[in-house]
Amino acid sequence: AQSVTQLDSHVSVSEGTPVLLRCNYSSSYSPSLFWYVQHPNKGLQLLLKYTSAATLVKGINGFEAEFKKSETSFHLTKPSAHMSDAAEYFCVVSGTDKLIFGTGTRLQVFP
Amino acid sequence: NAGVTQTPKFQVLKTGQSMTLQCAQDMNHEYMSWYRQDPGMGLRLIHYSVGAGITDQGEVPNGYNVSRSTTEDFPLRLLSAAPSQTSVYFCASSLVNTDTGELFFGEGSRLTVL
Repeated sequence: AQSVTQLDSHVSVSEGTPVLLRCNYSSSYSPSLFWYVQHPNKGLQLLLKYTSAATLVKGINGFEAEFKKSETSFHLTKPSAHMSDAAEYFCVVSGTDKLIFGTGTRLQVFP
Repeated sequence: NAGVTQTPKFQVLKTGQSMTLQCAQDMNHEYMSWYRQDPGMGLRLIHYSVGAGITDQGEVPNGYNVSRSTTEDFPLRLLSAAPSQTSVYFCASSLVNTDTGELFFGEGSRLTVL
């Protein structure tokens, strides 16, 4: 069965410093992996996706993630945080006809 | 550009009442789904549909009913509301299956059951 574990429920950074949101996955086959973002009182929006092409995936708003099969990880990074990045982020793995969501990481950005 | 539209945005019910959350998409997507979001639990799949006339259960289907008579609409019915169904509900759709496709989400329906 497929699953994802987001290792931090909350992450706080200062504006202009790097962001790292950690995600480990479990899958019985080569998975598709996604990061979604949810701003307050909004629906979710796709940030980036990995579907067995390049292992380093670039997304919107300067975010990127690297698929590491040996570590079963798909961590999300951004070199320099912006105040508008404050949101909840979900790591997601594909299952059969469904997406399986992690429990989310809330990112706070301080000025 | 409407995308995925959910109604109502807010609803308060009493225990035992029934109601329907509406979901409509105008992107001609075959795949539609309903999730509930609860604090600390991420999103959990309730029901999904891979096309008109086809529905299937997700992770937490009990107490909910769905139908898919058209490509555009995918209503979620609460048969007899319980306080445990207090949650934020999201409808999402995708052009193809979820393996490589992007899910498009509505803005959510916040339900409180007293």
